[in-house]
Amino acid sequence: GIQVEQSPPDLILQEGANSTLRCNFSDSVNNLQWFHQNPWGQLINLFYIPSGTKQNGRLSATTVATERYSLLYISSSQTTDSGVYFCAVGESGGSNYKLTFGKGTLLTVNP
Amino acid sequence: ETGVTQSPTHLIKTRGQQVTLRCSSQSGHNTVSWYQQALGQGPQFIFQYYREEENGRGNFPPRFSGLQFPNYSSELNVNALELDDSALYLCASSPQGYYGYTFGSGTRLTVV
Repeated sequence: GIQVEQSPPDLILQEGANSTLRCNFSDSVNNLQWFHQNPWGQLINLFYIPSGTKQNGRLSATTVATERYSLLYISSSQTTDSGVYFCAVGESGGSNYKLTFGKGTLLTVNP
Repeated sequence: ETGVTQSPTHLIKTRGQQVTLRCSSQSGHNTVSWYQQALGQGPQFIFQYYREEENGRGNFPPRFSGLQFPNYSSELNVNALELDDSALYLCASSPQGYYGYTFGSGTRLTVV
């Protein structure tokens, strides 16, 4: 099956700093989503981005499908950005749209 | 529009017991998937239901089973609970033909 690797595993920032999270995947995908998991466990969908670039406020994401990676940018980080960020992909040609998740990046933003 | 709702939020069961978890999909979503998330790990796909039939399954034993109802809500049943079944169980829904998923807040199951 498809492999998903996220880096870095842990990241500590001061409030106001910028960061880049990376997701590498091993095969072609028809679905790529970035999620933020809050302390209560809920996965919040940040972006559906199998290719191209999207922006939403201080967050933006870019997926280069031909090179099999995606980047999540967080600018002017806030303490509320803390949590685990997951990249999840769906394999091209898959009939059941199963998502395969990476192990996540634990982001801590200090005041 | 309502999101994905799961019940109960927390549950404690004894090894060997059976458990049923429930999920109401987001309005307009007819596909429901279940995921298991162990502590410190990413979620793992259990199975997906579409039109009341199982539409794909991950590497989970047959004691993990499910149902989808005509209103697209779903249940996850786990028989003969084991200590390793302790995890956060997440339900996700999507409209058919669209690949973006919306997740619920999960049910945290503890097996003692």
